[in-house]
Amino acid sequence: EAQVTQNPRYLITVTGKKLTVTCSQNMNHEYMSWYRQDPGLGLRQIYYSMNVEVTDKGDVPEGYKVSRKEKRNFPLILESPSPNQTSLYFCASSLEPYSYNEQFFGPGTRLTVL
Amino acid sequence: RKEVEQDPGPFNVPEGATVAFNCTYSNSASQSFFWYRQDCRKEPKLLMSVYSSGNEDGRFTAQLNRASQYISLLIRDSKLSDSATYLCVVTPNAGGTSYGKLTFGQGTILTVHP
Repeated sequence: EAQVTQNPRYLITVTGKKLTVTCSQNMNHEYMSWYRQDPGLGLRQIYYSMNVEVTDKGDVPEGYKVSRKEKRNFPLILESPSPNQTSLYFCASSLEPYSYNEQFFGPGTRLTVL
Repeated sequence: RKEVEQDPGPFNVPEGATVAFNCTYSNSASQSFFWYRQDCRKEPKLLMSVYSSGNEDGRFTAQLNRASQYISLLIRDSKLSDSATYLCVVTPNAGGTSYGKLTFGQGTILTVHP
């Protein structure tokens, strides 16, 4: 089944404790992206990747890192999480970012930073 | 001014009603436009792409007005199952420096009641 998977789905952590949220897709998509969703603000793009070893900042990259060592995986790293990073995170992939290609989203990761 | 703006609603309509949402965007060089649907606490899913000539998919019609920089979504004969948040998505000019970025509106909440 074609899908985007994220792990963990739920995470409660404390300020400053490094964490990684994994994202994997099995559709051989070139493009992958991370978003956070907050009430009243909608989805905001954190980072995106056009292909392996190519990553770029979205609108809200501060406090996050990403890597794209393999085509299928695009982990999101929070080196020192803070409470303002409490949010619902979505990973997405598509064949290409800007044409009429559908973005396929993962199920989301709900992160709480205490 | 936000790059992409939507009326957050909520729109409360009876079954069978026709309802329309608008979404305005600020970057005149924007290239691609989409409507996504998001059910409560779930991932967004593509509803339809928006073509320059307008397009229709069953009860749903999408329109693009480049001169006034807005897109619209019309839902006819509303069903209870149409209750969701509708997100408009705009991508920039593929040749620009923001190549690969996607911008979401904050979403419009629709509730269809019996």
